[in-house]
Amino acid sequence: DIQMTQSPSSLSASVGDRVTITCRASQSITTDLNWYQQQPEKAPKLLIYAASNLQSGVPSRFSGSGSGTDFTLSISSLQPEDSAFYYCQQSYSTPYTFGQGTKVEIK
Amino acid sequence: QVRLQESGPGLVKPSQTLSLTCTVSGDSISSGSYYWTWIRQPAGKGLEWIGRMYTSGSTNYNPSLKGRVTISVDTSKNQFFLKLSSVTAADTAVYYCARHGGSGQVFFDYWGQGTLVTVSS
Repeated sequence: DIQMTQSPSSLSASVGDRVTITCRASQSITTDLNWYQQQPEKAPKLLIYAASNLQSGVPSRFSGSGSGTDFTLSISSLQPEDSAFYYCQQSYSTPYTFGQGTKVEIK
Repeated sequence: QVRLQESGPGLVKPSQTLSLTCTVSGDSISSGSYYWTWIRQPAGKGLEWIGRMYTSGSTNYNPSLKGRVTISVDTSKNQFFLKLSSVTAADTAVYYCARHGGSGQVFFDYWGQGTLVTVSS
């Protein structure tokens, strides 16, 4: 199985800050990497697919980059509603696997 | 608007079989465009992909579940199903159904709201 490792596990930032979350794969997954946001008691919501493509309806402050084994999710100007867990997921091969998650809190 | 809705017992006894249904609306399972998937999340933990089914009937399962999983479909009812046998407390989780596309479109764009299944005697 491909292991996905996110960092940090949690972060706290102020409204308006730029936030970056990293995700590393245990082997190259080209750009087969997706990002999800999960609010408490809700299903995950797709933010970014294929490493850098913004899902329809997702605010443009979210962006993704990377290829191979190293990827980043950035929030350009953190908003109160961005407080959530964020997960990366590889779609290179089954079993599809997720990172352990990053908790983003607002200071 | 595509919607997925999980249903099934919220409590299952150890060693028994967990059975869940996902009802899809706004899209036809038999259209052949998507894979229909189950994912679970233990309380306070991360997400685990359980397996998927294509409309042809082909399936892929997570080897970590050691052959306990079966995913099937009823296209006449636009539903697909999860069966997980020989459950233990470790199978207690919120179970989600979701869909993803084919090659180049392998991302989970629609999810159900999730259903909590507790394994306990």
